[in-house]
Formats: sequence, C-alpha cells, structure tokens
Amino acid sequence: EIVVTQSPATLSVSPGERATLSCRASQSVSTNLAWYQQKPGQAPRLLIYAASTRATGLPARFSGSGSGTEFTLTINSLQSEDFAVYYCQQYNNWPLTFGPGTKVNIK
Amino acid sequence: QVQLVQSGAEVKKPGASVKVSCKTSGYTFFSYGVSWVRQAPGQGFEWMGWVSTYNDDTNYAQKFQGRVSMTTDTSTTTVYMELRSLRSDDTAVYYCARDLGLYAPPDYWGQGTLVTVSS
Repeated sequence: EIVVTQSPATLSVSPGERATLSCRASQSVSTNLAWYQQKPGQAPRLLIYAASTRATGLPARFSGSGSGTEFTLTINSLQSEDFAVYYCQQYNNWPLTFGPGTKVNIK
Repeated sequence: QVQLVQSGAEVKKPGASVKVSCKTSGYTFFSYGVSWVRQAPGQGFEWMGWVSTYNDDTNYAQKFQGRVSMTTDTSTTTVYMELRSLRSDDTAVYYCARDLGLYAPPDYWGQGTLVTVSS
C-alpha cells in the first residue's frame, strides 16, 4: 500500500496571502495524484487531478504541481471560502490512499 | 447535472449488517464505476473498494475483504455497499463517489451516510 503524507498538519494564513501545501507518496505515483477540499459537514470536492489539472470551474488561484513522490498545492490570494481541510490522494495503485489532510486556518 | 444521492443515517448494533444505497443520475451509468470511501469522526479517508457498473467487477481493500459487498442495480442506476459483522470502529460517514477506476480520481461524491454502531 502506498502511504501518503501531508505537511503541515495545520497552516494559518491571512486572507489575501498564499498557502503552500505539500504531499508526499511513499513510492512513485507518476502524476496520478488528486487534491480535494472538505468543509465541515460536507463531502470532499475534487480540486486538482493529474497533479496539476484544475477541475471544471475551479478558480485559477488554485494550482498543483509535482510528479513521482513530491507534490504541491498552491492557493494564491486566499479567499474566505478557501479555509478548509485539504487532502491529497493517489490513484496510481489500489488501494487508493489519502493523506491525513492539511487544515488551512484563518490567521 | 451529475448527482449521487445516498440513503439516510443508520444506527446498528455490533455484529449486525448495514446496506447503504447510492442513487446516481446525470451521466451514463455504465461509463463510470463507483468507489466507496469512509471517514471516521474527526479522521481522514479510508477507501473501501470499487465496483464496475459495466460488468460488476469489484476490487475491495484487503482490510474489508470478506466483510463487504458492492453491487449494482442497472434498472435504477443505484449502487449498494453492504458491510457485515459491524464493530464500533465501523462508525463513520460512508461516501460513494463516481470513479472511472485506476488512473482516474473519484470525481463526484455523494452527500455521505452516517453509520453509527453502538450497543
């Protein structure tokens, strides 16, 4: 099973600033890596797939990068609606595995 | 629009079974499989398995082998997940998600079904 880790666990950011979230896989997943956003009481929302492709309708302030084992999600100019928990997930191998999440807090 | 609508919350006793439904609409049912993912209270996500709506093939996470079944009903475009021999640590929100299969991520998710296991 591929183990996915994320850092930091919590990130405090002021509105309008940039947030940089990291994700690491225990072995190469090529670019088969997705990012999800989850708000309290809601289902996850797919943001990024194929490591860097934005889902339909996702604002351009969200961007993803990386390949192999190291990935990054960058959120530029954070808006109030962006404060949430972000999870990365690999879909290169079964079982699909998720990172433990990064909570983006308002500073 | 793509929708996955799940059945309502359940409360079960240890040792019982639960069957959660996931009614799909807004896309060609046979073109996408469905993954089931659960989230224990305050925790992260755990993938349980995937079922093909095309030929009913399944791929279950080893942890759930022998205890889970995922089935489809093409007449109602509904997918089911049954979990047996429930334990208290099965208490979680269970999600279905549209999923092409390996090399594609689950994209649209159901609203989640809370299953509480308590004596």
